[in-house]
Amino acid sequence: AAGVIQSPRHLIKEKRETATLKCYPIPRHDTVYWYQQGPGQDPQFLISFYEKMQSDKGSIPDRFSAQQFSDYHSELNMSSLELGDSALYFCASSSLDSGHFTSGNTIYFGEGSWLTVV
Amino acid sequence: EDQVTQSPEALRLQEGESSSLNCSYTVSGLRGLFWYRQDPGKGPEFLFTLYSAGEEKEKERLKATLTKKESFLHITAPKPEDSATYLCAVRDNAGNMLTFGGGTRLMVKP
Repeated sequence: AAGVIQSPRHLIKEKRETATLKCYPIPRHDTVYWYQQGPGQDPQFLISFYEKMQSDKGSIPDRFSAQQFSDYHSELNMSSLELGDSALYFCASSSLDSGHFTSGNTIYFGEGSWLTVV
Repeated sequence: EDQVTQSPEALRLQEGESSSLNCSYTVSGLRGLFWYRQDPGKGPEFLFTLYSAGEEKEKERLKATLTKKESFLHITAPKPEDSATYLCAVRDNAGNMLTFGGGTRLMVKP
């Protein structure tokens, strides 16, 4: 079965540079989530999109932005990178039934994109 | 604000030694409690979703149970390949995202 695809898998950037991560959700999934996981930490929710509109917002820095496109893929744009941004960034997807808050929709995660800021 | 606490932080078992992992939660309107397995450097792999107190689900050597305040992940006769970090997460009525606990790092020795 198709899974959540993330690219690139590894990325090295210097401080103050910009990085873009891409996420391709499972086919027919309409919701995309972004999570950040620092070393030895649990995943922290950044932002999510449902049908190309932002649905929930977590601890996403103002330097970061994201969007979901018409084909449902999503991109996380990170600017003015800091050393503390080094982490594993996960994209996840799910499919909502009719209605925004229907239970039962499992969230599936991609393999993550390793960002190292030097 | 949702809170999820997992214990123990780390657990070492001998192969075949059964045990349980705990996930305590505080959430306004539980809309699902999720268990994931995560191997180092990889994405969380979905295991179970539980929705209401009293519910149980099983998969191979794993069994998840749910009460109104906590969930347990029981591991029966574990094997070395069960070594991983097990993450518990909750979804509430306010949104669709998951709030994770700190995870339990399980190591099963042969």
